[in-house]
Parts: sequence; C-alpha cells; structure tokens
Amino acid sequence: AQSVTQPDIHITVSEGASLELRCNYSYGATPYLFWYVQSPGQGLQLLLKYFSGDTLVQGIKGFEAEFKRSQSSFNLRKPSVHWSDAAEYFCAVSSGNTGKLIFGQGTTLQVKP
Amino acid sequence: GAVVSQHPSWVICKSGTSVKIECRSLDFQATTMFWYRQFPKQSLMLMATSNEGSKATYEQGVEKDKFLINHASLTLSTLTVTSAHPEDSSFYICSARDGKTGGYTGELFFGEGSRLTVL
Repeated sequence: AQSVTQPDIHITVSEGASLELRCNYSYGATPYLFWYVQSPGQGLQLLLKYFSGDTLVQGIKGFEAEFKRSQSSFNLRKPSVHWSDAAEYFCAVSSGNTGKLIFGQGTTLQVKP
Repeated sequence: GAVVSQHPSWVICKSGTSVKIECRSLDFQATTMFWYRQFPKQSLMLMATSNEGSKATYEQGVEKDKFLINHASLTLSTLTVTSAHPEDSSFYICSARDGKTGGYTGELFFGEGSRLTVL
C-alpha cells in the first residue's frame, strides 16, 4: 500500500535561513509526488510536482524538490525562507490511475524574525 | 489555472440537522472529485471518491449514509452531512481532477475548504 511519511512534525527556522522538509514514500511503481502548502483555515496550494524526467523539480515561491528513488525520498528545499512561508506543508503521493492522493502527516513550519 | 470553489466556507448548525457543502470546478470539467476531512493539526483523510454520474466510492470506515455524496454534473459535487453531531465538526476539503490533464498523473485542484461546527 502507498504511504507517505513526513518525519518532522514541526520545524522552526530563522528568516533568511535555508529550509529542507523531509518526505519519504512507499510505493511499488514510479510514484507521482507532490508538495502542497496550506495556510491556516485555507485549502491546499500546489508547490510542485514530480511525474518523471529530471529528478530536481522547481516550483512556485522559490521552492524545489529532489526525487531520490534509492532513498524513496522527495525532500522539499528553499535556499532562503521568508516569514510568509510559515504554513503547513504536505507531501503526497498518487498512483495516477485512481487519482487518489495519499498525504503525509504534514510539517508545520514556523519562521523566526 | 484550474479553480475549484467550495461553498460555504464555514457553517454552524444544530445537532441533528443536515448540512450540504458544494464543490464546483469553475474552468474545467471534473470527471472525478475527492472529499477529504481534516481534523485540527492533522493531515487530510480521504473520505470518498466521486465520479460524475455514478455512485461514490467510500473509504473504509466512512459512513456512506451519514456522508452523502452526489456528483450529478461534470462541474459540481456535493457532500451532505446528515443528522450532524458534534463529532462531525471538522474541516472538509474537496478536490477535483481535470478530466483532460489529470487523468494519468493524479494532479488535483483543491477547494478552499468548509469548516463545519455542529453545536
């Protein structure tokens, strides 16, 4: 069965510092991977996605993620965090044929001034 | 871009009443829509999958008689929480898959969510 694990429930970084949010997945075939961001009381916004090809994908708001098959990981990175990046981040995997998205537990990002 | 609108964004109701939440795809045809439930500080839990013109498929443990889902058109799906009770209070989020582009990749577009509070 598919599953997604985000090992870090809560992360605090200083504004301007770099950021890496971890995501590990379990899936038998080539996964479709996503990172979403959710502000309090809001829906989800897609940051980036990986379907195939280049394993380093660029997203919106300066985010990028790298797919590493050998490690079953899809970690999200940003070189310099802004205060507005404080939110909940979800990694998700899809099987494609059913369209179902399975979400990780989420990581809460707090940004210190 | 693909936009999904959810209404109402928040609703308060008395215990025992029913509440309907609408999910609309505004600029694309959503052959499949998904309903998620999110408890505070937790992840999204998939409740059901609805395909236009057919019965919804519910995830294990989700009461289909309590959470009625209708997907009567390619742009509208509704979730009705019947005989609501305080434990049904939650944040409900719908998502939709574009029938043209999302079929093979699973990319979904999300509504803004609806917060239900049952008194």
